[in-house]
Amino acid sequence: DSGVTQTPKHLITATGQRVTLRCSPRSGDLSVYWYQQSLDQGLQFLIHYYNGEERAKGNILERFSAQQFPDLHSELNLSSLELGDSALYFCASSVGGGHEQFFGPGTRLTVL
Amino acid sequence: LAKTTQPISMDSYEGQEVNITCSHNNIATNDYITWYQQFPSQGPRFIIQGYKTKVTNEVASLFIPADRKSSTLSLPRVSLSDTAVYYCLVGDPYSGAGSYQLTFGKGTKLSVIP
Repeated sequence: DSGVTQTPKHLITATGQRVTLRCSPRSGDLSVYWYQQSLDQGLQFLIHYYNGEERAKGNILERFSAQQFPDLHSELNLSSLELGDSALYFCASSVGGGHEQFFGPGTRLTVL
Repeated sequence: LAKTTQPISMDSYEGQEVNITCSHNNIATNDYITWYQQFPSQGPRFIIQGYKTKVTNEVASLFIPADRKSSTLSLPRVSLSDTAVYYCLVGDPYSGAGSYQLTFGKGTKLSVIP
């Protein structure tokens, strides 16, 4: 158990819909990262927040957005969902911006 | 961002030492090298990180030559539970705001055979 929690564990929805994925970092960690993992694309970095502020953006689509709240939990919002958005979405946290990130169990999103 | 190249897959027998090499020819001065392990449907798990020479912890060793253009993750006496995908990452973990991100490559799928 990494100490990072993600909800929900599974999510099934239809194309065109909007969903919100939630992540609670380890106690004391200020950085939250979001990743998308699909079979054909591997593990893709989406976005990094540090203490409520966006620090870096990776391959995040304009239909996706994220935020980190004052209590440091983070949400990833995915809208106008397409079939290709079906993937595992991981959240990770770290104390600062270092490379030792602790990953959550992931949310499996299925878009039908 | 430094690009990394790893073998797609490797097989090893239980009890053997496994060495997985990662190429990163355009590594920058401030970049560190980090390795992660991932089991199916689980999030990656940090294994080891280094900047130069050799780093060892309770599960692995990381060898980095002087030119830092490659690195080798060494797993001593692997067991069936070491069957996983191993990722090599290169980047500056201490860079300033707005420029930091992790890039995972395809990874190396290690299969340990009884």
